[in-house]
Amino acid sequence: NAGVMQNPRHLVRRRGQEARLRCSPMKGHSHVYWYRQLPEEGLKFMVYLQKENIIDESGMPKERFSAEFPKEGPSILRIQQVVRGDSAAYFCASSRRQGGDEQFFGPGTRLTVL
Amino acid sequence: DQQVKQNSPSLSVQEGRISILNCDYTNSMFDYFLWYKKYPAEGPTFLISISSIKDKNEDGRFTVFLNKSAKHLSLHIVPSQPGDSAVYFCAASDRKKTSYDKVIFGPGTSLSVIP
Repeated sequence: NAGVMQNPRHLVRRRGQEARLRCSPMKGHSHVYWYRQLPEEGLKFMVYLQKENIIDESGMPKERFSAEFPKEGPSILRIQQVVRGDSAAYFCASSRRQGGDEQFFGPGTRLTVL
Repeated sequence: DQQVKQNSPSLSVQEGRISILNCDYTNSMFDYFLWYKKYPAEGPTFLISISSIKDKNEDGRFTVFLNKSAKHLSLHIVPSQPGDSAVYFCAASDRKKTSYDKVIFGPGTSLSVIP
């Protein structure tokens, strides 16, 4: 009964490169949330997706960031042309239902931009 | 604009004593509150929650108290154990606004339980 999987666990990129973060939700979960944690801060909501649909991306920066959750395969958070300020821990969570259901978190991907 | 505040970045408690972690919020529309626990290099794990229609919820050693008029909640851990040492996040959502849980997290309090 695997939990939420995220990979890679650690990702190092140089400024201007692209970062792709993957999240496989728990079995039976079709709702995915992405959060970002900057140093010394709490987790900040970025985006909520259901299969093939972005429901709420109000927490995503307007440029360079995108997310998808295809019919098959993991959810992807993509950051283009990374900058040093993108360095953070990115957590994915999944839930079985849309609301009123516990969110289960993955171990996170720590992105470092050199 | 931080809607969920945890003003104590850290807390140290002796094993066996009570740990009290505090949280304040500014958005009066929040109607659901959660506490998450996080160990280093792991994701947060859900601990306990409380709806705004209640003022107390208890689960084993963990009790959450909600004071809506003061916009304040607290997590009590009794008795505290060394394995409780972790970062605790207070979180809230407005379930009336969205049909899904758009959870707002506080900055966390690092609890150290000293043997």
